Amino acid sequence: DSGVTQTPKHLITATGQRVTLRCSPRSGDLSVYWYQQSLDQGLQFLIQYYNGEERAKGNILERFSAQQFPDLHSELNLSSLELGDSALYFCASSAPRTGSHEQFFGPGTRLTVL
Amino acid sequence: AQSVTQLDSHVSVSEGTPVLLRCNYSSSYSPSLFWYVQHPNKGLQLLLKYTSAATLVKGINGFEAEFKKSETSFHLTKPSAHMSDAAEYFCVVSGSSNTGKLIFGQGTTLQVKP
Repeated sequence: DSGVTQTPKHLITATGQRVTLRCSPRSGDLSVYWYQQSLDQGLQFLIQYYNGEERAKGNILERFSAQQFPDLHSELNLSSLELGDSALYFCASSAPRTGSHEQFFGPGTRLTVL
Repeated sequence: AQSVTQLDSHVSVSEGTPVLLRCNYSSSYSPSLFWYVQHPNKGLQLLLKYTSAATLVKGINGFEAEFKKSETSFHLTKPSAHMSDAAEYFCVVSGSSNTGKLIFGQGTTLQVKP
């Protein structure tokens, strides 16, 4: 158990809908990262937040957005869903000011868009 | 820009024989390198990490990796495979010295035959 929690575990929805994925980092971790794992793209970095502020952006679509709240939990919002958005979404967290960038991953949310 | 290439998409070994999973990296600065493992329908677990200390890194479950700067390689090895080692393995490089985002290889599926 990494200490990172994600809800829900599974999500099934229809095209055009909007969903919210939630992540709670390990106690004391200030950084939260979101990754998408799909069969065709592999594991890709989406976005990073550090202590409530966006720190880095990767291959995140404009239909997707994220935020980190004062209690440090984070939410990833996916809107106007398409079939291709079906994937496993991971959240990870890391401790502040560590040189190794080691990240601890949650169990993931499996999104299925029908 | 940072990148990582896993040279084999699929490796098959017999139980009790050595494991070698190959990884080459590209980085414009001194990188942090990781190996993560993903068992079926599970999250990502850190096996080991290299952060510019010893070039031979020991991880969990008997795995180790050697950082070779001259060859830009970070191959993962284990002397004797166990059935429980069957999983997907990812070689990972830190994408930036500032943000800590991770860049994943495409993954190597390790099959262990009895």
